[in-house]
Amino acid sequence: QQPVQSPQAVILREGEDAVINCSSSKALYSVHWYRQKHGEAPVFLMILLKGGEQKGHEKISASFNEKKQQSSLYLTASQLSYSGTYFCGTYVSGNTPLVFGKGTRLSVIA
Amino acid sequence: GAGVSQSPSNKVTEKGKDVELRCDPISGHTALYWYRQSLGQGLEFLIYFQGNSAPDKSGLPSDRFSAERTGGSVSTLTIQRTQQEDSAVYLCATAGASYNEQFFGPGTRLTVL
Repeated sequence: QQPVQSPQAVILREGEDAVINCSSSKALYSVHWYRQKHGEAPVFLMILLKGGEQKGHEKISASFNEKKQQSSLYLTASQLSYSGTYFCGTYVSGNTPLVFGKGTRLSVIA
Repeated sequence: GAGVSQSPSNKVTEKGKDVELRCDPISGHTALYWYRQSLGQGLEFLIYFQGNSAPDKSGLPSDRFSAERTGGSVSTLTIQRTQQEDSAVYLCATAGASYNEQFFGPGTRLTVL
């Protein structure tokens, strides 16, 4: 049930772009994205809902392919502050819990 | 308060002792989750409360772990007869509904000697 994230880790130079992928074996109602900086709690970035509604961050975009049960997070013109571990969480339906992937560690260097 | 709070922030205990970790959710949030995060690892789901429904305990690693949520508000995670492998950061998160964005507390760092 745990979604699969890829890549596991990526290193970028400032200004470069990155894509983080999340896939599930189950039909999804929504996908969540969170970022966790070292020593801090995860912070909400974005929700993508079945049907295309999207709520979240100004500088980060994402897509949700319901048929393929996949989501991708797009980080453009990366900044040093983007460094951290990105988690996707998938929600199926009803009273099932949100389940997180293992995370993608992103490091942005000057 | 405005956010999710957890106490204590740090707990050091001896192997075999019981510990209780507390989570105070954002007022009105009906969904409450407990996660465990070992050093450098992901968010391991432990247990989930949603309103008055029976909790989803499918993530609890053993019967030494239990949790309750009183009056739909404060939650306590109890670990009995702690083991060294229980050492981790325990995070609580709450949401207005199960599918809404989650707000995480700062976590409790548990160290079992």
